[in-house]
Amino acid sequence: AQTVTQSQPEMSVQEAETVTLSCTYDTSENNYYLFWYKQPPSRQMILVIRQEAYKQQNATENRFSVNFQKAAKSFSLKISDSQLGDTAMYFCAFKGGGNRDDKIIFGKGTRLHILP
Amino acid sequence: DSGVTQTPKHLITATGQRVTLRCSPRSGDLSVYWYQQSLDQGLQFLIQYYNGEERAKGNILERFSAQQFPDLHSELNLSSLELGDSALYFCASSSRGDPHNEQFFGPGTRLTVL
Repeated sequence: AQTVTQSQPEMSVQEAETVTLSCTYDTSENNYYLFWYKQPPSRQMILVIRQEAYKQQNATENRFSVNFQKAAKSFSLKISDSQLGDTAMYFCAFKGGGNRDDKIIFGKGTRLHILP
Repeated sequence: DSGVTQTPKHLITATGQRVTLRCSPRSGDLSVYWYQQSLDQGLQFLIQYYNGEERAKGNILERFSAQQFPDLHSELNLSSLELGDSALYFCASSSRGDPHNEQFFGPGTRLTVL
């Protein structure tokens, strides 16, 4: 069974700093998707960034980028120039099955505080 | 706005009661997923429906059931409620035509069992 592990329950950084959230996963599949979701105090689940396992290039979305290490089964999220609005719970997530529609498996989350 | 709607937003009920949570997927999405977010268990997949048929089951209790109707909306029924069922219940939808199979999450229903 697939598992997703986030080893940092909580982190705090100063505004404008760069922060990296860690995530490791376990799977025997070769085709899969990895995601980072943000959950602000509103509780809405917001997709931050996705990575297809077959792509070697790390995904980037503005200030958010990932470091995807397939062999190590590691998928970290880097937030550059952090902003107060980045304060939220961040979930690393895995979806297997390649192009099949399939359930998402979430890590336990990292609570990120951006300090003014 | 993800395009997925869930009602009600909040629900407060007592132990032993039964409630129904409703989800309307994005227009055109045939797959609906239910997830439970609780303090101790985190975010867990409960069940998936595709075009009216059950597709996959996760950690869903026997006291819980779901269905997807011909108009593609889905309902999650929770019965004989216990204090531990208090959680945020999310519905998500996706389309097979989407190359990324992205799941779009609704705003959730917060259930409080007293």
